[in-house]
Amino acid sequence: GQQVMQIPQYQHVQEGEDFTTYCNSSTTLSNIQWYKQRPGGHPVFLIQLVKSGEVKKQKRLTFQFGEAKKNSSLHITATQTTDVGTYFCAGTVRGNTPLVFGKGTRLSVIA
Amino acid sequence: KAGVTQTPRYLIKTRGQQVTLSCSPISGHRSVSWYQQTPGQGLQFLFEYFSETQRNKGNFPGRFSGRQFSNSRSEMNVSTLELGDSALYLCASSDRAGYNEQFFGPGTRLTVL
Repeated sequence: GQQVMQIPQYQHVQEGEDFTTYCNSSTTLSNIQWYKQRPGGHPVFLIQLVKSGEVKKQKRLTFQFGEAKKNSSLHITATQTTDVGTYFCAGTVRGNTPLVFGKGTRLSVIA
Repeated sequence: KAGVTQTPRYLIKTRGQQVTLSCSPISGHRSVSWYQQTPGQGLQFLFEYFSETQRNKGNFPGRFSGRQFSNSRSEMNVSTLELGDSALYLCASSDRAGYNEQFFGPGTRLTVL
């Protein structure tokens, strides 16, 4: 079945450093979504990418969808302590098939 | 708008028992999906309901079932609980069928002893 791999599993950074998490799918995706889950919280939707090669920015966060629509990345510039949490990617093969989540990247930010 | 609510928030059961979890979606949302979250397996899809119909089911045994009511509230049931069913059960609602932006509830933490 469809698999979504996410790396790294953990990342510890000093506040102010950049952070990137990568997501790779075994199959071509219809769209990819990114979620953030704070410790003890629930996943919160960040963004959805649908076009090949798409790049979207939200303040210090940059999201990319690969040309082949099989990989994606989330880059955070100049991390802050408020960025702490686990970042999940989730992809779907077609609009009516369930989201498959990566296992997430847990980000720790050291002040 | 009020967010997705789930009850109960915490539950402790013993092996062999059954449990029912409840989810109230955001007002106006007719799609409700359920996910199981564990440290080892991450977030895994259980099922999705839209307008009282199950549209998709994940790869879970038949002990896991669900339903949706006419007011879009949803319940999931797990019968004959096993230790491995201990997890955070999350429900998410969406304003459309399919897997667009998912609004997650706070989850129900189920512990099976």
